[in-house]
Amino acid sequence: NAGVTQTPKFQVLKTGQSMTLQCAQDMNHNSMYWYRQDPGMGLRLIYYSASEGTTDKGEVPNGYNVSRLNKREFSLRLESAAPSQTSVYFCASSPSGTPRQPQHFGDGTRLSIL
Amino acid sequence: RKEVEQDPGPFNVPEGATVAFNCTYSNSASQSFFWYRQDCRKEPKLLMSVYSSGNEDGRFTAQLNRASQYISLLIRDSKLSDSATYLCVVNWASRGSARQLTFGSGTQLTVLP
Repeated sequence: NAGVTQTPKFQVLKTGQSMTLQCAQDMNHNSMYWYRQDPGMGLRLIYYSASEGTTDKGEVPNGYNVSRLNKREFSLRLESAAPSQTSVYFCASSPSGTPRQPQHFGDGTRLSIL
Repeated sequence: RKEVEQDPGPFNVPEGATVAFNCTYSNSASQSFFWYRQDCRKEPKLLMSVYSSGNEDGRFTAQLNRASQYISLLIRDSKLSDSATYLCVVNWASRGSARQLTFGSGTQLTVLP
């Protein structure tokens, strides 16, 4: 019962490097999400995928791209990392995009950009 | 003004105490409300949904006041294991899209022995 799996758990990058964060869920959920969490700011939605083949911008999409590779996998890419992207990144999934269904979170990726 | 505001705390209470958190939201069209719990350096987990009539789950009671636009969470007989950060979450998409979830920055609770 893995749920939502994120890799890697920790990463340190230099400014300008690129990186892809991986996320996979085994609950047959349709919707998947990427959030970032910064101190004192709560979770903020970066991108969202309502279903396989669709993606949509969230609150803070700049500097990121996503790919919904298949129903299970939703990756987040930083093309040119900046120190402002130092954060904890969470992937989540839910059965569908309706609000009353809870979102299940992965255990996060701690990313530092030097 | 933040769309969802919470007192960051920290709230330090003794075991067995009753503690209440409030959360205010700015969008009167908000549709759905939740409390999530987040342990230190862990992922958020759904604690409970909040329904218009109020709802209870064991020692936890959630209330919604639409007129005043606030949500509350009451924890009775607090346990050491209740120590965590509690996140207030609001959705106001008219079409019910979960992408419109907004998380508060959380209220930190420490239950002391």
